[in-house]
Amino acid sequence: EVQLVEAGGGLVMPGGSLRLSCGGSGFIFNDAWLNWVRQTPDKGLEWVGLSKRKTDGGTIDYAAPVKGRFTISRDDSKNMLYLQMNSLRTEDTAIYYCVTELRGSFDNWGQGALVTVSS
Amino acid sequence: QSALTQPPSASGSPGQSVTFSCAGTSSDVGGFNYVSWYQQHPGKAPKLMISEVTKRPSGVPDRFSGSKSGNTASLTVSGLQAEDEADYYCSSYAGNNKYVFGTGTQLTVL
Repeated sequence: EVQLVEAGGGLVMPGGSLRLSCGGSGFIFNDAWLNWVRQTPDKGLEWVGLSKRKTDGGTIDYAAPVKGRFTISRDDSKNMLYLQMNSLRTEDTAIYYCVTELRGSFDNWGQGALVTVSS
Repeated sequence: QSALTQPPSASGSPGQSVTFSCAGTSSDVGGFNYVSWYQQHPGKAPKLMISEVTKRPSGVPDRFSGSKSGNTASLTVSGLQAEDEADYYCSSYAGNNKYVFGTGTQLTVL
């Protein structure tokens, strides 16, 4: 059974930083395309970024609202995906999901980590 | 990248069929056969219901079906059941390693 478990959410002040982690099991981690997707009550689901497997070039890319502030990385030896979030804004407040992707579809989701940006 | 447009709400009685729309552009929905649909119950993570426009993952009832015409994709739920009451989101590949989600439709089973 595929499992994705996010950790590291919490309350942070505007301008602050936070790092989320995601541990994967039940699948071949280094073979997976991995994404971060966030959800807010008013804007719904929003794609944040992706990390392709090394055999597909290891490409990492981001949605425009987070590019330059967020950094995705992965450690395949530990089956871990990370999201480093810097210069956080109130509008980054959301539940952040770690998600596997297969042929353009997000097929397995973690339980989500709540990030609250507030003073 | 603008969100795909979905009607905010839909409803139907048990046993009826309901169809949700997902309107995009030629740069996303119309340009690629990578449209997928997700069901989300309150407090839960989204669940993949349809991939690549029409494909049903293992375990998804055949009451759920997907289609696409031009820049608009559709999800049809036939034989509505009480447990189908949930939020439904579409998503599409948008080229250049980018993805976009729809605004979501809340389904009420009357």
